[in-house]
Amino acid sequence: KAGVTQTPRYLIKTRGQQVTLSCSPISGHRSVSWYQQTPGQGLQFLFEYFSETQRNKGNFPGRFSGRQFSNSRSEMNVSTLELGDSALYLCASSLSTLGYEQYFGPGTRLTVT
Amino acid sequence: QQQVKQSPQSLIVQKGGISIINCAYENTAFDYFPWYQQFPGKGPALLIAIRPDVSEKKEGRFTISFNKSAKQFSLHIMDSQPGDSATYFCAAKAQGGSEKLVFGKGTKLTVNP
Repeated sequence: KAGVTQTPRYLIKTRGQQVTLSCSPISGHRSVSWYQQTPGQGLQFLFEYFSETQRNKGNFPGRFSGRQFSNSRSEMNVSTLELGDSALYLCASSLSTLGYEQYFGPGTRLTVT
Repeated sequence: QQQVKQSPQSLIVQKGGISIINCAYENTAFDYFPWYQQFPGKGPALLIAIRPDVSEKKEGRFTISFNKSAKQFSLHIMDSQPGDSATYFCAAKAQGGSEKLVFGKGTKLTVNP
């Protein structure tokens, strides 16, 4: 079974631009979560989607948004990019049953200049 | 507010030795505790996980010890190998409908040959 895939793997943007990142979960997984990873703050929860509905949201500004499609694929968008948004953005998927296990993709490395 | 505290920040072990990483949590609603292993340039990979109804779980060379009363859990890597050199993250998930994971800050493990 294929793992979680994320595209693109690397991205360079300038301040003020916006960016869209994509995540395809493991086949059959209906829950998708997004995390931001930085050296200073570590892994921080952004938001979680299940059946196209946002189920939980982390403590990030409204510039960060996401959505999930009917096939469980998910996208996250960051508008008006700031230098501090440079990070590894990770997507994780799970069955969202009592199994609990979440599996991460390789991430998208975003650099804001 | 850091809900999961992980120590040490870095750890150097000789090949064949035992690596021990500790985590402590505050939220008594946490009911699932996974450990992830991350190599440079990769996403975190689920290593092993435990629930509070057991005090220990072993998978190969990896063991989780769990102390519910002390709100602490630890990862033991027996017979550590150079290939185990990576960053290890403990995490916790609260009971309920969300898949949100709260992560420790990570431990960079180096196993010298």
